[in-house]
Amino acid sequence: EDQVTQSPEALRLQEGESSSLNCSYTVSGLRGLFWYRQDPGKGPEFLFTLYSAGEEKEKERLKATLTKKESFLHITAPKPEDSATYLCAVQDLRHGDYKLSFGAGTTVTVRA
Amino acid sequence: ETGVTQTPRHLVMGMTNKKSLKCEQHLGHNAMYWYKQSAKKPLELMFVYSLEERVENNSVPSRFSPECPNSSHLFLHLHTLQPEDSALYLCASSPDPGRGETQYFGPGTRLLVL
Repeated sequence: EDQVTQSPEALRLQEGESSSLNCSYTVSGLRGLFWYRQDPGKGPEFLFTLYSAGEEKEKERLKATLTKKESFLHITAPKPEDSATYLCAVQDLRHGDYKLSFGAGTTVTVRA
Repeated sequence: ETGVTQTPRHLVMGMTNKKSLKCEQHLGHNAMYWYKQSAKKPLELMFVYSLEERVENNSVPSRFSPECPNSSHLFLHLHTLQPEDSALYLCASSPDPGRGETQYFGPGTRLLVL
């Protein structure tokens, strides 16, 4: 059974205070790891896909990294508009190609 | 993002009602998905369609009935639901159901069962 654990559950930051979110995963073989952002009452918005250990991707103030057991989402100098729930999901080589296993998310609040 | 649209956005229904949720994708994708998102729980995959054929039914109760008439449209028919079915129902699509391809989500339908 795939396991995806995100920590912390909630993160409160001051504007400009950089931090990192963690996604630990257990799969038989990783097909892909996905990061999404979700605003209250809305659907998840795609951020990044990572496929192999050592890979990194950046978008504005966000940077995602991947190791064999976990992924980090680094938020550099966050702004209030970065407040959202960040979801991590993995796709296991063992499963049907389509199945994504999601973590419960990290809710980030950035205060001005 | 208007690539995947869902209607209605909000729905309140009694346990004896029948209603349908609609999803439409404008991305030219071949795979479509229904997910359930309950408070404080991870997203749960309910159904997967690939080229209009159902390829996954993730042990979902029969009171949820999906329909995929073509690769752009997906429905979720609801009947005799229970209060615990109240949740955010999300539709997603991807180019193909595999090979680590990204799934793109719609805005969701917030369902309340009384």
